[in-house]
Amino acid sequence: GAVVSQHPSRVICKSGTSVKIECRSLDFQATTMFWYRQFPKKSLMLMATSNEGSKATYEQGVEKDKFLINHASLTLSTLTVTSAHPEDSSFYICSAREELAGGPRDNEQFFGPGTRLTVL
Amino acid sequence: RKEVEQDPGPFNVPEGATVAFNCTYSNSASQSFFWYRQDCRKEPKLLMSVYSSGNEDGRFTAQLNRASQYISLLIRDSKLSDSATYLCVVNLHTGGFKTIFGAGTRLFVKA
Repeated sequence: GAVVSQHPSRVICKSGTSVKIECRSLDFQATTMFWYRQFPKKSLMLMATSNEGSKATYEQGVEKDKFLINHASLTLSTLTVTSAHPEDSSFYICSAREELAGGPRDNEQFFGPGTRLTVL
Repeated sequence: RKEVEQDPGPFNVPEGATVAFNCTYSNSASQSFFWYRQDCRKEPKLLMSVYSSGNEDGRFTAQLNRASQYISLLIRDSKLSDSATYLCVVNLHTGGFKTIFGAGTRLFVKA
């Protein structure tokens, strides 16, 4: 299957700092990538849909000015958590769908390994 | 009502047991369905897609009932390595594409 990488895998930062997380599709082009957040023992919650070359679409309740998303190329999306606070500590996971010439392959999403953010 | 609901779990079963997970979804615009497996502190990985005709992959069998908006996963001859959280996943195609995850059901298989 296709491979999605995330960097960093783990980050610990002080409250008030900003943290950037990268999501890359390594062997396919992804017009659309997704950012999820997962709190302990909870389900993955979609935060936003990242669209290459245009603004991200945020889910209700997710602050777009706090979670900045940039999708500058077909293989890279970044999520920046600005002015992070302890309540932002979570597991952040990106995913991508491989979209082929004939249209999106409505198959699995390929997930990155996740980034565990701890804000002190 | 949650868009995707699963058995709360956890399920504690002995090796060799058969275990069934259930899932219901509320949005009739749901188009495609999957079971994912998630190990502790890891990303979800696709286990299998779910089709109306039912599909089987080794010890795993998935079923979809569109009329009842119900999805199931059956695991036969459970192995210790099957211990994980199983996520019911639904894709919506309503003008755009959106994936909804169930909360997951935790499975513990014991020797």
